[in-house]
Order: sequence, then C-alpha cells, then structure tokens
Amino acid sequence: DTGVSQDPRHKITKRGQNVTFRCDPISEHNRLYWYRQTLGQGPEFLTYFQNEAQLEKSRLLSDRFSAERPKGSFSTLEIQRTEQGDSAMYLCASSIQGLRDTQYFGPGTRLTVL
Amino acid sequence: TQLLEQSPQFLSIQEGENLTVYCNSSSVFSSLQWYRQEPGEGPVLLVTVVTGGEVKKLKRLTFQFGDARKDSSLHITAAQPGDTGLYLCAGDYGGSQGNLIFGKGTKLSVKP
Repeated sequence: DTGVSQDPRHKITKRGQNVTFRCDPISEHNRLYWYRQTLGQGPEFLTYFQNEAQLEKSRLLSDRFSAERPKGSFSTLEIQRTEQGDSAMYLCASSIQGLRDTQYFGPGTRLTVL
Repeated sequence: TQLLEQSPQFLSIQEGENLTVYCNSSSVFSSLQWYRQEPGEGPVLLVTVVTGGEVKKLKRLTFQFGDARKDSSLHITAAQPGDTGLYLCAGDYGGSQGNLIFGKGTKLSVKP
C-alpha cells in the first residue's frame, strides 16, 4: 500500500509540551495539505505545500504552529506550548497538481492534550 | 466566507433501506468531492464531480452534481451495515490552490 502515511497515530501530551507529527505523502504527489478535525466537525484547512514551498496558511495556524516540507517529500507539523484546545485529529492529504487536485488523506494523528 | 451545509446531520436506518444525503452551498464549486470516514481514521475518497449535472455511480452509491454546481447529493440503495460512517462533502471553490472546504458531515448508522 503506497497511500499517505502519518506518524504517530496517537499522541498524548501534557499542556505546555511541544509535539511534532510527520506525514509521508503518496510518492509522486507534489502537493501536501494539513487539516485539523475536531469532534463533530469536518476537517479544517491549516496549511498547504507545493513541493517544498509553503504557499498558503490558514488563520487557524497560530504562531505556535509550524510546518515544513524541506525536500518536497515528507512534511512535519510542530505545535509548541500545546494547549488543551489543540486536542484534535490532525490530517495530512496529498495531491498531484493539475489532477483536479483530488486529495487523498492519511489516517491522521489523534492528539490529546491533558 | 464559503459555507457548505450537509443534511441530515444524523441518519439511522435499517439494512435494505434507501437514503439520500445532501450538500449545499450558496457559492459555485469548481469541483466537489465525497469522502467516507470511519471513527479514528482519515477520510477515504469516494468520488470527485466536476461538471454541472454530472451523475456518477459507484456500486450502490449514486452521486449527483447540481446543474449550477452549487449542490450535490449522495443516494445509497439497499443500505448495508458496512455503509455505516461519516459522509463528508468537500468543495473546491477554485479561489486558492486546492484548499478544500468541508461540510460537517452526515453520520449514517445502518442497523442489521
């Protein structure tokens, strides 16, 4: 299976700690997206990369959040000084530019901040 | 701000029944995608519709895109317990580089 993978699948942390999540997109996909999903809601867009360039960031992405895609392949999402409100499912998706941008999602990382 | 409304929010039916869920917006989509999500997992793509009036079939699932490209429906025939899940529609309004706007989803439960 060469779908989108995310690691870890689950993360429990204490308030104030830093956490980092990883996403490996489908290998030939040049676009990579991060979304956040809270209970009872659909996914909400956070940020998007085309190759290694971060082209768009949502207002949801506070200055405690940073995302990178250094070589245009895998991406990391770091949350500094976590707060209880950061508890959510963090989803990564990838797509090929020009293919109607159909996005394929990974299994997500469930973050719980105590 | 683009909003995407899905209805109903919850649906509980018996195995063998038919159902339709709806996705509506006041804005025009350049494309719309339907996903199914199970608890603790990421959304799995079911279909992408692009052309107004388009109808796509995936086994017992029929997807329709409105003529004006502002609405869509998903019809399931003879629902089975394996259809249970959260059905999400997501619209690409074409304004940015493919950032999808999701509805809140329809949570479907099919009882045997």
